Amino acid sequence: ELKVEQNPLFLSMQEGKNYTIYCNYSTTSDRLYWYRQDPGKSLESLFVLLSNGAVKQEGRLMASLDTKARLSTLHITAAVHDLSATYFCAVPNSGYALNFGKGTSLLVTP
Amino acid sequence: ETGVTQSPTHLIKTRGQQVTLRCSSQSGHNTVSWYQQALGQGPQFIFQYYREEENGRGNFPPRFSGLQFPNYSSELNVNALELDDSALYLCASSRDRVNSPLHFGNGTRLTVT
Repeated sequence: ELKVEQNPLFLSMQEGKNYTIYCNYSTTSDRLYWYRQDPGKSLESLFVLLSNGAVKQEGRLMASLDTKARLSTLHITAAVHDLSATYFCAVPNSGYALNFGKGTSLLVTP
Repeated sequence: ETGVTQSPTHLIKTRGQQVTLRCSSQSGHNTVSWYQQALGQGPQFIFQYYREEENGRGNFPPRFSGLQFPNYSSELNVNALELDDSALYLCASSRDRVNSPLHFGNGTRLTVT
């Protein structure tokens, strides 16, 4: 069974600081997705990582994928309050489904 | 381009009742997937429909069933509601059934009392 684990599950950080969220998964996959969810809202696609060594950046967020280590990271640079949300990583399972992690709830404080 | 739309946005039902949730897929998408998201958890895959047929199913009992229509819209039906069915139900459409990015709707919040 494919397991997707994120850590930390909760993260409180000050504005301006850097931090990394980790996503480990248990079976081979050559792609991984990151989503953002605001409270009471749906999932917004952030990144699609399609191969080993893939790195994508959007604003203050940068995601990478190491398929050999079965690890993806989401790095936050100089956090701002607008980044407060829950972040999910997801790995394809059987091609048609996504297995999601439990999410990392991020709170950026002044 | 119209995105994924779901209805209703909120719903309150009593244990034992039945519920139908609806989803209109994004233009050009032929595949619809349904996910259940309990409070504080990640979404869990319920099933996927491709060209009106169930293409894959997660670990959900048979009282969770679905339909996809010729226009690729979809319904999720849940019979004999249980308290644990209270969750946000998310519909996602994609261009194809395998490895296509999912576009999520805003979800239906179901509360079972």
